[in-house]
Amino acid sequence: AQSVTQLDSHVSVSEGTPVLLRCNYSSSYSPSLFWYVQHPNKGLQLLLKYTSAATLVKGINGFEAEFKKSETSFHLTKPSAHMSDAAEYFCVVSGGSQGNLIFGKGTKLSVKP
Amino acid sequence: DGGITQSPKYLFRKEGQNVTLSCEQNLNHDAMYWYRQDPGQGLRLIYYSQIVNDFQKGDIAEGYSVSREKKESFPLTVTSAQKNPTAFYLCASKGRGGLVLQAGELFFGEGSRLTVL
Repeated sequence: AQSVTQLDSHVSVSEGTPVLLRCNYSSSYSPSLFWYVQHPNKGLQLLLKYTSAATLVKGINGFEAEFKKSETSFHLTKPSAHMSDAAEYFCVVSGGSQGNLIFGKGTKLSVKP
Repeated sequence: DGGITQSPKYLFRKEGQNVTLSCEQNLNHDAMYWYRQDPGQGLRLIYYSQIVNDFQKGDIAEGYSVSREKKESFPLTVTSAQKNPTAFYLCASKGRGGLVLQAGELFFGEGSRLTVL
């Protein structure tokens, strides 16, 4: 069975400092992994996806994530946080019933000036 | 511009009433999905449809119903049987249909917030 765990429900950083949002997954086969971002009262937008190509995946707005099979992790990073990065971030793995996507519970990122 | 339109954005309902949430897409996508979002719970799949006139239950289908009479439209009805309907509802679509969501990207609407009074 597939599952995904976001290790922090809330992360707070200062503007200009690095961002790290942690995600571990469980999958019985080589998964596809995604990070989505959601601003308040909005839909979700795809940041990046891993589909068994390069293990370091670059996304929009300067975000990137590294797929580490040995650690079953897919952490999201950004070198320097911007105020506009404040949002909720979801790690997603393919699989589950009928092969649908399984969403983590989300990590809320706060950015202090 | 192509996209997914959900309406209404905010909806209030009295207990015992059915309500229908609209989802329309002009992306020419085959597959459409309804998710429910509660604080701290992530997204949970209610129903999905891979093709017109066909749909499947997701993980939390009880108390909900859908129809897929047109490719562009996938309305969700929250029935009086849904015991805790207050939530944020998100509609999504994906191109190329397919039997499973593997590498494909989901496109989301802006959501509908339902509150039961």
